[in-house]
Amino acid sequence: NAGVTQTPKFQVLKTGQSMTLQCAQDMNHEYMSWYRQDPGMGLRLIHYSVGAGITDQGEVPNGYNVSRSTTEDFPLRLLSAAPSQTSVYFCASNSGRYTGELFFGEGSRLTVL
Amino acid sequence: QKEVEQDPGPLSVPEGAIVSLNCTYSNSAFQYFMWYRQYSRKGPELLMYTYSSGNKEDGRFTAQVDKSSKYISLFIRDSQPSDSATYLCAMRSTETGANNLFFGTGTRLTVIP
Repeated sequence: NAGVTQTPKFQVLKTGQSMTLQCAQDMNHEYMSWYRQDPGMGLRLIHYSVGAGITDQGEVPNGYNVSRSTTEDFPLRLLSAAPSQTSVYFCASNSGRYTGELFFGEGSRLTVL
Repeated sequence: QKEVEQDPGPLSVPEGAIVSLNCTYSNSAFQYFMWYRQYSRKGPELLMYTYSSGNKEDGRFTAQVDKSSKYISLFIRDSQPSDSATYLCAMRSTETGANNLFFGTGTRLTVIP
């Protein structure tokens, strides 16, 4: 049982480059989300989805794009990377609107030079 | 002002000590309160989950919520070296979805054998 799988684990980008962070879950969860974790800031919600075809913005959505074509996958796209997007990115899933437990992936560490 | 405030520590205690971790918050609409544990280079995992005010106990861990003071606590009894991790408080209101959590910055705990 893999849970939430994120790839890549590490990535270095140059300013202006684009890339996609992949996230897949095998728990048949309807809800998925992306958070970023920065020192002194805690985890902040970027985008989330409540089902295939439905996405919405979180607290810090600028510079990121998401789509949800299947229940299993929720990729996060960086459109034009900036040094301010250097962070650790976590994908999470949960089974329903009122379920408290988020299951997190192991994170993707992104450095933008 | 951040919605959730948490002392980042670091906190260092001897094995067997009682540990007290705390968070304060400003949004009186928060009803769901959680503690996540995060080991180094890993994703957070849910430790405790409480709804509204009161206490909840699970083995060596006790979570307390005081909504009148907007203050939540996590107590760890008989602390073990394996408890060394960063502890994140998280909370949300009933209006927002289960994956839209507001996190504290985390307190790094080291338990010394």
